[in-house]
Amino acid sequence: EPEVTQTPSHQVTQMGQEVILRCVPISNHLYFYWYRQILGQKVEFLVSFYNNEISEKSEIFDDQFSVERPDGSNFTLKIRSTKLEDSAMYFCASSERGDPAEQYFGPGTRLTVT
Amino acid sequence: SQQGEEDPQALSIQEGENATMNCSYKTSINNLQWYRQNSGRGLVHLILIRSNEREKHSGRLRVTLDTSKKSSSLLITASRAADTASYFCATDAWAVGGGSEKLVFGKGTKLTVNP
Repeated sequence: EPEVTQTPSHQVTQMGQEVILRCVPISNHLYFYWYRQILGQKVEFLVSFYNNEISEKSEIFDDQFSVERPDGSNFTLKIRSTKLEDSAMYFCASSERGDPAEQYFGPGTRLTVT
Repeated sequence: SQQGEEDPQALSIQEGENATMNCSYKTSINNLQWYRQNSGRGLVHLILIRSNEREKHSGRLRVTLDTSKKSSSLLITASRAADTASYFCATDAWAVGGGSEKLVFGKGTKLTVNP
């Protein structure tokens, strides 16, 4: 069964460093998303992406964040200058349609900022 | 806020029993989805129910939706130890620019099924 994959599974970085989190969505899906979950808290929406542009972004998704679909398969989240509070589990998701959007999530990347 | 809020926060039952989790939300929705998360792992999509549906089944799962009360319930019948996980409801909201939806998650119900 097709699934969303994410790499790396765990990333440790120092404050101020740039990180790129990678995702390979399900191949026939057209809508892509990033969410994050700080330990013990809710899953929070970061950004949605469709037709090669951002559909919506949350207030968390400030200028330090960017997304890109560099080729036909990858979808990346870049954090330009990480802060301690960026430590979280980052989930990529994809869906075939916009509505209803059954979103399928990857296993997540645990980002630890020291 | 359109957040789904689940209750109870935690539920502990014996294998074979049924587990019911509830979710309430505040504004109109297109669809409501339920997800499962095993500790420290990713989210697994369980079921989606549209706003014009009242009940949906998938295997041992039964989801109901009452849009007048802005609430949904997830019933797991004949529970197994492997059902131990956190369960989240997620309501959708159309992106301001259109074209896709974002999901708004509740805090989840932590279900423990004891063997």
